[in-house]
Amino acid sequence: NAGVMQNPRHLVRRRGQEARLRCSPMKGHSHVYWYRQLPEEGLKFMVYLQKENIIDESGMPKERFSAEFPKEGPSILRIQQVVRGDSAAYFCASSPWDSRKSGNEQFFGPGTRLTVL
Amino acid sequence: GESVGLHLPTLSVQEGDNSIINCAYSNSASDYFIWYKQESGKGPQFIIDIRSNMDKRQGQRVTVLLNKTVKHLSLQIAATQPGDSAVYFCAENGPSGGSYIPTFGRGTSLIVHP
Repeated sequence: NAGVMQNPRHLVRRRGQEARLRCSPMKGHSHVYWYRQLPEEGLKFMVYLQKENIIDESGMPKERFSAEFPKEGPSILRIQQVVRGDSAAYFCASSPWDSRKSGNEQFFGPGTRLTVL
Repeated sequence: GESVGLHLPTLSVQEGDNSIINCAYSNSASDYFIWYKQESGKGPQFIIDIRSNMDKRQGQRVTVLLNKTVKHLSLQIAATQPGDSAVYFCAENGPSGGSYIPTFGRGTSLIVHP
């Protein structure tokens, strides 16, 4: 009964490179959320996806960041041309229900810690 | 803009004592609240939730109180144990762009001394 899986757990990139973060939701969950956490801060919502659809990307930076959740395979958060300010922990969560309705518990993965040199 | 915040960034208690972690929220449209525990190097773990039509909910060793009048939420941990040491986040869940996405507070670090 695996929980939410994220890989890699740690990722080091140099400025200008691309970072790809992967998230496999819990079995039976078709709703995925990405959050970013800076040191000693709470989680900041980035994007909410269902299979093959982006539902809410209101927290996603307009440039360099993109997310997808294909019909097959994990959800991917992609950061192009990374800068030092992108260094953070990125968490993925999944839920079995539609978050367009309230009262929706999310299950979090262990996170990917991105360090940009 | 709307915000969720915690009054105390760090709380130190002795093992066996009761702990109370407080949280203020400002979005009057929020109707669902969640407490998460985050241990070092791990993702947030759900502890307990409460809907806005309730003012108290109890779990195993934990109780969440909701005061909608002053927009205040608290988490009470009974007989705190060293394993409770972690950062605790409250999150409010209200409509945002058509979705109910949790808004997290900054977090309170709970340190339990044996």
